[in-house]
Amino acid sequence: DAGVIQSPRHEVTEMGQEVTLRCKPISGHNSLFWYRQTMMRGLELLIYFNNNVPIDDSGMPEDRFSAKMPNASFSTLKIQPSEPRDSAVYFCASSSSGTTTQYFGPGTRLTVL
Amino acid sequence: GQQVMQIPQYQHVQEGEDFTTYCNSSTTLSNIQWYKQRPGGHPVFLIQLVKSGEVKKQKRLTFQFGEAKKNSSLHITATQTTDVGTYFCQTDSGGSNYKLTFGKGTLLTVNP
Repeated sequence: DAGVIQSPRHEVTEMGQEVTLRCKPISGHNSLFWYRQTMMRGLELLIYFNNNVPIDDSGMPEDRFSAKMPNASFSTLKIQPSEPRDSAVYFCASSSSGTTTQYFGPGTRLTVL
Repeated sequence: GQQVMQIPQYQHVQEGEDFTTYCNSSTTLSNIQWYKQRPGGHPVFLIQLVKSGEVKKQKRLTFQFGEAKKNSSLHITATQTTDVGTYFCQTDSGGSNYKLTFGKGTLLTVNP
């Protein structure tokens, strides 16, 4: 079975540009999580969805960040406008109902120049 | 809010030595998960502990959940170079709107 799929794997952009990260969770999983990982702050939960509905977005840094889950098999995390301090690895993870075990995607390494 | 402290932050060992990382919470936990992240990789689930005082083993890895369900440990016996990576605990404070929190992780390096 395919695991969590993320694209792109690497993204280099200039400050001010819009960035869209994509995630396809494991089929049948109904919870989806977006994380950001940096050396300084570790793994931070940005937002999570349950049955396509955002449940907790308290980790979203600011209005420049937005996330959507239009259906059970797709989610996006958008940064507009991007800033150099957004440079990090962004992970998407999914889990099935009633469990806390999360399966992570390979991540997107974002560099904002 | 829920605080999770993981120690040590770094650990360097000689191959064959043992290694232990600890995760401590300021609140009682519903359960705890452990993950391993290889350099350049993504976190991979290792195990979940649910019961007070629970001990689970996976080959050379031993996981413990404290009696008060506020702390946990991961012990590796006779480390190997394949054990290199960052080990994270993830805690769940429980409730209908559960709050999952990752510790900062312990980076293990092994000298062959």
